[in-house]
Amino acid sequence: GQNIDQPTEMTATEGAIVQINCTYQTSGFNGLFWYQQHAGEAPTFLSYNVLDGLEEKGRFSSFLSRSKGYSYLLLKELQMKDSASYLCAVSDSDYKLSFGAGTTVTVRA
Amino acid sequence: IAGITQAPTSQILAAGRRMTLRCTQDMRHNAMYWYRQDLGLGLRLIHYSNTAGTTGKGEVPDGYSVSRANTDDFPLTLASAVPSQTSVYFCASSDTGTSGGDTQYFGPGTRLTVL
Repeated sequence: GQNIDQPTEMTATEGAIVQINCTYQTSGFNGLFWYQQHAGEAPTFLSYNVLDGLEEKGRFSSFLSRSKGYSYLLLKELQMKDSASYLCAVSDSDYKLSFGAGTTVTVRA
Repeated sequence: IAGITQAPTSQILAAGRRMTLRCTQDMRHNAMYWYRQDLGLGLRLIHYSNTAGTTGKGEVPDGYSVSRANTDDFPLTLASAVPSQTSVYFCASSDTGTSGGDTQYFGPGTRLTVL
């Protein structure tokens, strides 16, 4: 089975940095995705990591350590529009995604 | 370009009724997926199709069926709805379904309530 854990909620101040951790135990590994989902909307793709290390995309960065079964999503210079749920998903041996329950980030002024 | 469309947007259904959720994509993606999203549980895969003419079972397939007659359409049918099928249903598609970096793109979702 798949086991993907991430915190349920996080709160941060506008302009600050927030780090969302994700740990996983899955049958096979073909990469890890982060998606953003605003309330009442569809998930949208943020990042993909398959090799160890940090991938940076503007204000968002994602890190992967395959040996530790660990990833994080780093959101810098937080804006009010970043208030959303962030989903960690692992591509397994059959290239199917298993999702964590999501982390709801609330950005306060 | 619409991407992925789903219909209906929302539906209230009596238990025991049959219901088909529609999904259409115009990106010529080979792979399509159906997920349900429940509070605290995240997205769970119901069924998938890696290419037209083939389908497979996901994590929670019981009570659901799918077909893939062509590349663009991937309907999900509840033969006899039960209250535990109350959920938000998302359709998604990806280029191949057989590659680790294959990004999935999601439709807007259908909110289904079974009474």
